[in-house]
Amino acid sequence: ETGVTQTPRHLVMGMTNKKSLKCEQHLGHNAMYWYKQSAKKPLELMFVYSLEERVENNSVPSRFSPECPNSSHLFLHLHTLQPEDSALYLCASSHAGTGDGNTIYFGEGSWLTVV
Amino acid sequence: DQQVKQNSPSLSVQEGRISILNCDYTNSMFDYFLWYKKYPAEGPTFLISISSIKDKNEDGRFTVFLNKSAKHLSLHIVPSQPGDSAVYFCAARGRAGNMLTFGGGTRLMVKP
Repeated sequence: ETGVTQTPRHLVMGMTNKKSLKCEQHLGHNAMYWYKQSAKKPLELMFVYSLEERVENNSVPSRFSPECPNSSHLFLHLHTLQPEDSALYLCASSHAGTGDGNTIYFGEGSWLTVV
Repeated sequence: DQQVKQNSPSLSVQEGRISILNCDYTNSMFDYFLWYKKYPAEGPTFLISISSIKDKNEDGRFTVFLNKSAKHLSLHIVPSQPGDSAVYFCAARGRAGNMLTFGGGTRLMVKP
């Protein structure tokens, strides 16, 4: 069982819909991340929350809106998406900071299809 | 411009032999490197890491080598097993935060 749980695992939404992806970590971490994996592209960092404050957004379009209400939960709110946003969205968590051994652990991902 | 590159999209190896997966990077500020393994329909799973102060780290069948002067790292799997068949991603982290830059992945197929 993974320490990082994502729901839903699969989501199909229309371009005018509003939906949210949810992530919960049970590892006692205090940093959480959203990554995107599109077909034939490397994993791309979208958002980072460290100690519940957003520290990086990597110029992600505003149709993606993250929310981190506490150190264990992370949401990605989706609205007016485009078909090219269809991808695997991965949540991850770690301890904040850059100490060696500070590994990032991933959830199983949410497959999003925009129609 | 991709800062972390895995130039081989796929690799096929016979069971019992060595698998060598390669990764190159361009950013000299990277100081920590990781390998992740990913099965279809699952998230990446951490495999092994290495700090820039070392040139080798070993964990069971997995060994990671780092050549800082060449900005190159490699993952050796010995002996390879069919269950090792997956996509392997290398990732690098800079000093400014725990954010990873990933390579494009190499699909390893270990044939029985």
